[in-house]
Amino acid sequence: AQSVTQLGSHVSVSEGALVLLRCNYSSSVPPYLFWYVQYPNQGLQLLLKYTSAATLVKGINGFEAEFKKSETSFHLTKPSAHMSDAAEYFCAVSDINTGNQFYFGTGTSLTVIP
Amino acid sequence: DGGITQSPKYLFRKEGQNVTLSCEQNLNHDAMYWYRQDPGQGLRLIYYSQIVNDFQKGDIAEGYSVSREKKESFPLTVTSAQKNPTAFYLCASKDRRSNQPQHFGDGTRLSIL
Repeated sequence: AQSVTQLGSHVSVSEGALVLLRCNYSSSVPPYLFWYVQYPNQGLQLLLKYTSAATLVKGINGFEAEFKKSETSFHLTKPSAHMSDAAEYFCAVSDINTGNQFYFGTGTSLTVIP
Repeated sequence: DGGITQSPKYLFRKEGQNVTLSCEQNLNHDAMYWYRQDPGQGLRLIYYSQIVNDFQKGDIAEGYSVSREKKESFPLTVTSAQKNPTAFYLCASKDRRSNQPQHFGDGTRLSIL
Protein backbone atom coordinates (compact mmCIF):
# COMPACT_ATOMS: atom_id res chain seq x y z
CA ALA A 1 0.00 0.00 0.00
CA GLN A 2 1.09 3.53 -0.67
CA SER A 3 1.72 6.14 1.98
CA VAL A 4 3.32 9.56 2.28
CA THR A 5 5.22 11.10 5.18
CA GLN A 6 5.89 14.80 5.36
CA LEU A 7 8.50 15.55 7.99
CA GLY A 8 7.84 18.80 9.80
CA SER A 9 4.28 20.02 10.05
CA HIS A 10 5.57 23.59 10.36
CA VAL A 11 8.59 25.14 8.63
CA SER A 12 9.75 28.73 8.98
CA VAL A 13 12.26 30.41 6.70
CA SER A 14 13.48 33.95 6.23
CA GLU A 15 12.57 35.81 3.08
CA GLY A 16 15.25 35.06 0.50
CA ALA A 17 16.37 31.84 2.19
CA LEU A 18 16.21 28.33 0.78
CA VAL A 19 12.92 26.48 1.15
CA LEU A 20 13.11 22.72 1.74
CA LEU A 21 9.97 20.72 2.40
CA ARG A 22 10.43 16.99 2.91
CA CYS A 23 8.35 14.16 1.50
CA ASN A 24 9.02 10.45 1.76
CA TYR A 25 6.79 7.86 0.17
CA SER A 26 6.27 4.14 0.17
CA SER A 27 5.08 2.29 -2.90
CA SER A 28 5.55 -1.27 -4.13
CA VAL A 29 5.67 -0.13 -7.76
CA PRO A 30 7.10 2.99 -9.46
CA PRO A 31 5.17 5.91 -8.06
CA TYR A 32 3.61 9.03 -9.46
CA LEU A 33 4.38 11.91 -7.11
CA PHE A 34 2.78 15.32 -6.77
CA TRP A 35 3.20 18.50 -4.77
CA TYR A 36 0.25 20.79 -4.15
CA VAL A 37 -0.03 24.20 -2.50
CA GLN A 38 -3.06 25.43 -0.56
CA TYR A 39 -3.70 29.04 0.42
CA PRO A 40 -6.19 29.81 3.21
CA ASN A 41 -9.79 28.95 2.37
CA GLN A 42 -8.87 27.73 -1.09
CA GLY A 43 -8.50 24.42 -2.84
CA LEU A 44 -5.26 22.66 -3.69
CA GLN A 45 -3.25 23.88 -6.65
CA LEU A 46 -0.79 21.62 -8.43
CA LEU A 47 2.82 22.80 -8.12
CA LEU A 48 4.55 19.97 -9.95
CA LYS A 49 4.41 16.27 -10.71
CA TYR A 50 6.78 13.35 -11.28
CA THR A 51 5.54 10.61 -13.61
CA SER A 52 8.70 8.61 -14.42
CA ALA A 53 10.36 11.05 -16.79
CA ALA A 54 13.17 13.36 -15.61
CA THR A 55 13.96 12.94 -11.91
CA LEU A 56 14.35 16.70 -11.38
CA VAL A 57 10.97 18.30 -11.91
CA LYS A 58 10.39 22.01 -12.24
CA GLY A 59 7.08 23.49 -11.27
CA ILE A 60 5.32 26.81 -10.96
CA ASN A 61 6.43 29.74 -8.81
CA GLY A 62 10.11 28.70 -8.92
CA PHE A 63 9.64 25.40 -7.07
CA GLU A 64 11.31 22.16 -8.04
CA ALA A 65 11.54 18.65 -6.63
CA GLU A 66 13.88 15.73 -7.13
CA PHE A 67 12.77 12.12 -7.20
CA LYS A 68 15.30 9.91 -5.41
CA LYS A 69 14.35 6.28 -5.66
CA SER A 70 17.12 5.07 -3.34
CA GLU A 71 15.88 7.38 -0.61
CA THR A 72 12.17 7.07 -1.49
CA SER A 73 12.02 10.83 -1.33
CA PHE A 74 10.52 13.69 -3.31
CA HIS A 75 11.57 16.83 -1.45
CA LEU A 76 10.34 20.24 -2.60
CA THR A 77 12.79 23.13 -2.85
CA LYS A 78 12.93 26.77 -3.83
CA PRO A 79 16.20 28.70 -3.81
CA SER A 80 14.81 31.95 -2.44
CA ALA A 81 11.62 32.23 -0.39
CA HIS A 82 9.13 34.98 -1.08
CA MET A 83 6.45 36.24 1.27
CA SER A 84 3.81 34.95 -1.14
CA ASP A 85 5.11 31.38 -0.63
CA ALA A 86 3.53 31.23 2.83
CA ALA A 87 0.93 28.48 2.52
CA GLU A 88 0.22 24.81 3.25
CA TYR A 89 2.01 22.27 1.08
CA PHE A 90 0.88 18.71 0.45
CA CYS A 91 2.75 15.80 -1.08
CA ALA A 92 0.74 13.01 -2.73
CA VAL A 93 1.47 9.60 -4.28
CA SER A 94 -0.34 7.31 -6.66
CA ASP A 95 0.83 4.62 -9.07
CA ILE A 96 -0.15 2.72 -12.18
CA ASN A 97 -2.08 0.15 -10.14
CA THR A 98 -4.06 2.68 -8.14
CA GLY A 99 -3.81 5.59 -10.56
CA ASN A 100 -7.11 7.12 -9.57
CA GLN A 101 -6.46 6.80 -5.83
CA PHE A 102 -4.22 9.41 -4.28
CA TYR A 103 -2.58 9.24 -0.87
CA PHE A 104 -1.83 12.61 0.69
CA GLY A 105 0.63 13.57 3.38
CA THR A 106 -0.60 15.54 6.36
CA GLY A 107 0.82 18.77 5.02
CA THR A 108 3.56 21.26 5.90
CA SER A 109 2.71 24.82 6.81
CA LEU A 110 5.35 27.23 5.49
CA THR A 111 5.89 30.56 7.22
CA VAL A 112 8.09 33.18 5.58
CA ILE A 113 9.67 35.68 7.95
CA PRO A 114 10.34 39.15 6.55
CA ASP B 1 -11.66 28.02 -18.88
CA GLY B 2 -12.19 24.50 -17.64
CA GLY B 3 -12.37 23.87 -13.95
CA ILE B 4 -14.24 22.64 -10.92
CA THR B 5 -16.95 24.70 -9.27
CA GLN B 6 -18.02 24.09 -5.71
CA SER B 7 -20.99 25.84 -4.21
CA PRO B 8 -21.77 27.40 -1.91
CA LYS B 9 -18.49 28.74 -0.54
CA TYR B 10 -19.90 28.88 2.99
CA LEU B 11 -22.77 26.78 4.34
CA PHE B 12 -24.47 26.69 7.70
CA ARG B 13 -26.45 23.76 8.97
CA LYS B 14 -28.79 23.37 11.89
CA GLU B 15 -28.43 20.22 13.91
CA GLY B 16 -30.57 17.40 12.53
CA GLN B 17 -30.59 18.85 9.04
CA ASN B 18 -29.26 17.32 5.84
CA VAL B 19 -27.32 19.60 3.51
CA THR B 20 -26.02 19.07 -0.01
CA LEU B 21 -22.75 20.43 -1.34
CA SER B 22 -22.50 20.94 -5.06
CA CYS B 23 -19.53 20.00 -7.26
CA GLU B 24 -19.53 20.53 -11.02
CA GLN B 25 -16.64 20.05 -13.45
CA ASN B 26 -16.26 20.89 -17.14
CA LEU B 27 -12.92 19.15 -17.59
CA ASN B 28 -14.49 16.00 -19.04
CA HIS B 29 -12.89 13.99 -16.23
CA ASP B 30 -14.13 10.52 -15.45
CA ALA B 31 -13.14 10.35 -11.78
CA MET B 32 -14.42 12.64 -9.03
CA TYR B 33 -13.68 12.76 -5.32
CA TRP B 34 -14.83 14.30 -2.05
CA TYR B 35 -12.38 15.05 0.73
CA ARG B 36 -12.82 16.44 4.21
CA GLN B 37 -10.18 18.72 5.71
CA ASP B 38 -10.04 19.62 9.40
CA PRO B 39 -7.76 22.33 10.83
CA GLY B 40 -4.14 21.29 10.83
CA GLN B 41 -4.93 17.96 9.25
CA GLY B 42 -4.52 16.49 5.84
CA LEU B 43 -7.19 15.37 3.44
CA ARG B 44 -9.43 12.44 4.25
CA LEU B 45 -11.32 10.71 1.45
CA ILE B 46 -15.10 10.53 1.89
CA TYR B 47 -16.32 9.08 -1.43
CA TYR B 48 -15.04 8.74 -4.95
CA SER B 49 -16.52 7.86 -8.32
CA GLN B 50 -14.66 6.56 -11.34
CA ILE B 51 -17.64 6.45 -13.70
CA VAL B 52 -21.20 7.64 -13.94
CA ASN B 53 -23.67 5.74 -11.76
CA ASP B 54 -20.91 4.16 -9.71
CA PHE B 55 -19.14 5.30 -6.54
CA GLN B 56 -17.12 3.84 -3.68
CA LYS B 57 -16.75 4.65 -0.02
CA GLY B 58 -13.55 6.23 1.12
CA ASP B 59 -12.04 6.22 4.58
CA ILE B 60 -14.74 8.28 6.34
CA ALA B 61 -18.00 7.66 4.46
CA GLU B 62 -20.24 7.29 7.51
CA GLY B 63 -22.81 10.07 7.70
CA TYR B 64 -22.34 11.09 4.05
CA SER B 65 -23.98 10.13 0.78
CA VAL B 66 -23.27 10.89 -2.88
CA SER B 67 -24.71 10.41 -6.35
CA ARG B 68 -23.17 10.43 -9.81
CA GLU B 69 -25.99 10.72 -12.32
CA LYS B 70 -24.01 12.89 -14.70
CA LYS B 71 -20.32 12.92 -15.59
CA GLU B 72 -20.07 16.59 -14.72
CA SER B 73 -21.68 16.45 -11.29
CA PHE B 74 -20.90 14.75 -7.99
CA PRO B 75 -22.98 16.22 -5.14
CA LEU B 76 -22.26 15.33 -1.52
CA THR B 77 -24.98 15.17 1.10
CA VAL B 78 -24.00 15.59 4.72
CA THR B 79 -26.69 13.80 6.67
CA SER B 80 -27.84 14.29 10.24
CA ALA B 81 -26.02 11.05 11.05
CA GLN B 82 -22.70 12.89 10.67
CA LYS B 83 -22.15 14.04 14.23
CA ASN B 84 -19.24 16.38 13.60
CA PRO B 85 -19.80 17.91 10.17
CA THR B 86 -17.97 21.20 10.71
CA ALA B 87 -15.08 21.10 8.25
CA PHE B 88 -13.74 22.29 4.91
CA TYR B 89 -14.94 20.07 2.06
CA LEU B 90 -12.95 19.73 -1.14
CA CYS B 91 -14.09 18.23 -4.42
CA ALA B 92 -11.59 16.98 -7.00
CA SER B 93 -11.63 15.41 -10.42
CA LYS B 94 -9.14 13.48 -12.53
CA ASP B 95 -8.50 12.30 -16.04
CA ARG B 96 -8.66 8.51 -16.46
CA ARG B 97 -4.95 8.23 -17.30
CA SER B 98 -3.18 6.93 -14.21
CA ASN B 99 -0.32 9.46 -14.25
CA GLN B 100 -2.49 12.56 -14.23
CA PRO B 101 -3.04 14.80 -11.19
CA GLN B 102 -6.25 15.49 -9.36
CA HIS B 103 -7.70 18.95 -9.90
CA PHE B 104 -9.45 20.66 -7.00
CA GLY B 105 -12.30 23.09 -6.51
CA ASP B 106 -12.10 26.00 -4.08
CA GLY B 107 -13.92 24.19 -1.31
CA THR B 108 -17.03 24.62 0.81
CA ARG B 109 -16.79 25.48 4.48
CA LEU B 110 -19.61 23.91 6.47
CA SER B 111 -20.47 25.13 9.96
CA ILE B 112 -23.08 24.08 12.49
CA LEU B 113 -25.40 26.70 13.92
